[in-house]
Amino acid sequence: SAVISQKPSRDICQRGTSLTIQCQVDSQVTMMFWYRQQPGQSLTLIATANQGSEATYESGFVIDKFPISRPNLTFSTLTVSNMSPEDSSIYLCSAEGLAGGYYDEQFFGPGTRLTVL
Amino acid sequence: TQLLEQSPQFLSIQEGENLTVYCNSSSVFSSLQWYRQEPGEGPVLLVTVVTGGEVKKLKRLTFQFGDARKDSSLHITAAQPGDTGLYLCAGDSGNTGKLIFGQGTTLQVKP
Repeated sequence: SAVISQKPSRDICQRGTSLTIQCQVDSQVTMMFWYRQQPGQSLTLIATANQGSEATYESGFVIDKFPISRPNLTFSTLTVSNMSPEDSSIYLCSAEGLAGGYYDEQFFGPGTRLTVL
Repeated sequence: TQLLEQSPQFLSIQEGENLTVYCNSSSVFSSLQWYRQEPGEGPVLLVTVVTGGEVKKLKRLTFQFGDARKDSSLHITAAQPGDTGLYLCAGDSGNTGKLIFGQGTTLQVKP
C-alpha cells in the first residue's frame, strides 16, 4: 500500500466561495480518483484525475464546478467552486497502480470533511 | 449499467455473534475488493479476491468470491466491538480502471 494524505482534513466555508483540496501520495501511481461521500453512505466517483491532461468526469459532475489538476504522478487537487450547502460532504482521493498491488486496487486518503454554511 | 447490490445495509449485533455480508451483481468482475471504513477516516482495503471460487481469510474474517465472479461474501466469526464500521465491496467489471461500489453495510457490534 501507500501513504495518501489530504489537506485540509476539514473545513467550514461560506456559500459562494471555493475550496481546493490537495492529495499527496508517497509513491508514483498510474491513476488517481476523486470521490464524494455522505456520512455513512457509499462513495460516488466524481472524476478520474489524468496526469498531463484534463480530468475525466462522471455523469452529473462538470469541470466548471469541480476543476481538477494532476501535475505529476504523486499529486492532485480538487477544487469545489462556488459552493452551496448541497456541497457539504466528505471528499476522498484514491490512488491505483501501486507497486505490488492488483490492477484495480485503490487506496484511499483520510478524506476532507467540508461543511458549507 | 454495472451495479453491485450489497446487503444488508444495516446490522446491529451482540459481541460474539456471527454475520455475513453479501455483494451481488449480474456483471462479471475481474476482481473484487472489500473495504472497511471508520468514522472520520478513509476506506481501508481489507482484501482483494481475483479467482472464481477463491476463499481468503483474515483472522476472523472470511471472504469468498463466487465461482462465476459475479458475487462475493464477507463472513465475520465471533464479532467484536472493534469490527464496528462501514463495510464496502467494490469491483471493476469493464476493465475501465474505475471501481463500482456497493451501497455499504453499517455494522454495529455491541459489547
